[in-house]
Amino acid sequence: ILNVEQSPQSLHVQEGDSTNFTCSFPSSNFYALHWYRWETAKSPEALFVMTLNGDEKKKGRISATLNTKEGYSYLYIKGSQPEDSATYLCASKGGKLIFGQGTELSVKP
Amino acid sequence: NAGVMQNPRHLVRRRGQEARLRCSPMKGHSHVYWYRQLPEEGLKFMVYLQKENIIDESGMPKERFSAEFPKEGPSILRIQQVVRGDSAAYFCASSRQGESNTGELFFGEGSRLTVL
Repeated sequence: ILNVEQSPQSLHVQEGDSTNFTCSFPSSNFYALHWYRWETAKSPEALFVMTLNGDEKKKGRISATLNTKEGYSYLYIKGSQPEDSATYLCASKGGKLIFGQGTELSVKP
Repeated sequence: NAGVMQNPRHLVRRRGQEARLRCSPMKGHSHVYWYRQLPEEGLKFMVYLQKENIIDESGMPKERFSAEFPKEGPSILRIQQVVRGDSAAYFCASSRQGESNTGELFFGEGSRLTVL
């Protein structure tokens, strides 16, 4: 994998659904994996920065895992709420910070 | 503690003019990153600077684009002789730690350049 890739590109869920997104990144020259939340008309805000293989981090209903050997990270949202609607970006730091295209989440009440 | 400040927020230029975008990092941050977001695309890395040094400019177009982060004052992204394809949102971010570390980035609200 030469680039940071995210899937799915977009996701539409109902309030209360749990969901997850995938981020794939180059496993060589790896320093850190970042997740950001980007609401419309605002600037991206950091959710997690993870560095170690097997890392798991949690913030409220949002959690993330990291596998540096195979080059992927998952972001989970439990019990989605309308205010979770945003674009979720992952970025891999192997020197500079390279962003994926993002997963656009829409949560319907 | 003010966040990352970018100005102008919106800039309109005619083809051939120059555009200057400014970024003041958060207090205590000495590392600045510039990203470009073209319509319908994600954030594309342009350049990473520390005070008075360009660390990585591998994402910068070779011509017409330059960036600086002087000892005093904001970081400036300069685009000479703008063309319509330069129309985009330009985001600046700053961090407390260096390239080899794991500091999260704090983003400004972006400068939206429109080239007529």
